[in-house]
Amino acid sequence: NTGVTQTPKFRILKIGQSMTLQCTQDMNHNYMYWYRQDPGMGLKLIYYSVGAGITDKGEVPNGYNVSRSTTEDFPLRLELAAPSQTSVYFCASSPRTDNSPLHFGNGTRLTVT
Amino acid sequence: QKEVEQNSGPLSVPEGAIASLNCTYSDRGSQSFFWYRQYSGKSPELIMFIYSNGDKEDGRFTAQLNKASQYVSLLIRDSQPSDSATYLCAVNPGGYGGSQGNLIFGKGTKLSVKP
Repeated sequence: NTGVTQTPKFRILKIGQSMTLQCTQDMNHNYMYWYRQDPGMGLKLIYYSVGAGITDKGEVPNGYNVSRSTTEDFPLRLELAAPSQTSVYFCASSPRTDNSPLHFGNGTRLTVT
Repeated sequence: QKEVEQNSGPLSVPEGAIASLNCTYSDRGSQSFFWYRQYSGKSPELIMFIYSNGDKEDGRFTAQLNKASQYVSLLIRDSQPSDSATYLCAVNPGGYGGSQGNLIFGKGTKLSVKP
């Protein structure tokens, strides 16, 4: 198992552009999450999924979309990028609803200019 | 608004000392509590979790929980320079179905251990 893999590691977008942040896990975890982390701040939940075909909004979903067509993949789509979306994005997974640890990917550093 | 508060630091301790990291939370119904360590430029990693009032020890780390005071802390004994990182407190609020992914994170406390 390689865990949670995020691509790309870094990206610079111009205002109004769109992109997809990729996240895949090979641990057969049902639960997957997208967080963003701004400098000096904690993690904010954007979207999460409890299984293939099921997604739900977190604390800060505006400007983002997700899909979960397979257990392994949970891409995050940014439409019409804005400077406020400059952040580090972390994808995470966990196996079930109890307090199993979150397994984080290495993050994607996104700058919107 | 459910909140988790931490002193942002930096907290500086000498090598070998005890580092004490504190966290308060607003949701009295919160059931479980977590400490994550995050090195600069890296992703968070779980250090400890605690559900019940009292202390829980794991090696050099001790988590302490006081639900009446809505307070959770992390003690690091015999601090090492390799412990220098940001420590994130996270709380699983009541009513969210128990998924750890619905955690509310504090902003983190930056710890610096000086040799």
